[in-house]
Amino acid sequence: DAGVIQSPRHEVTEMGQEVTLRCKPISGHNSLFWYRQTMMRGLELLIYFNNNVPIDDSGMPEDRFSAKMPNASFSTLKIQPSEPRDSAVYFCASSPGTSVVGELFFGEGSRLTVL
Amino acid sequence: GQNIDQPTEMTATEGAIVQINCTYQTSGFNGLFWYQQHAGEAPTFLSYNVLDGLEEKGRFSSFLSRSKGYSYLLLKELQMKDSASYLCAVSNAGNNRKLIWGLGTSLAVNP
Repeated sequence: DAGVIQSPRHEVTEMGQEVTLRCKPISGHNSLFWYRQTMMRGLELLIYFNNNVPIDDSGMPEDRFSAKMPNASFSTLKIQPSEPRDSAVYFCASSPGTSVVGELFFGEGSRLTVL
Repeated sequence: GQNIDQPTEMTATEGAIVQINCTYQTSGFNGLFWYQQHAGEAPTFLSYNVLDGLEEKGRFSSFLSRSKGYSYLLLKELQMKDSASYLCAVSNAGNNRKLIWGLGTSLAVNP
């Protein structure tokens, strides 16, 4: 079975540009999570969806960040405008509803560098 | 506040046993998780403890003491491929799928 698929794997952009990260969760999983990972702060939950509905977006840093999940097989995380401090690895993860709380299946991540 | 502490780095020798500790202070508790993350890769689930005691899974075991806010991950018969970061995470509410994550312990296994 295919795992969580993220694109792009690497993105280098200039400050002020719009960045869109994409995620396809594992088929049948009804929870989807967007995380950001940096050396200083570790893994931070940005937002999570359950059955395509945003449940908790308290981790979204500011209005420059937005996330959507138009259907069960696709989600996007958008940063507009991007800033150098947004440089990080962004992970998407999914979880089946029947699993223990917290058992997450992560994608390979999107490494974002904002110059 | 809510906090998870684990050592930043550890080193061990191939074939040996290593114990990685994690202490937590959270407003609630609904389980503790260990994930493994190789450099440049995604975290992968290792173990889950919700009751006190030891959970064994092959070469890896995880222990939990809820009264002490303490867990450890025990790795036996270390192999070079075990060199990775080990992340401790706590779920602090029943229906909430948010996890509070430690910064991870970077383990280097030397020959």
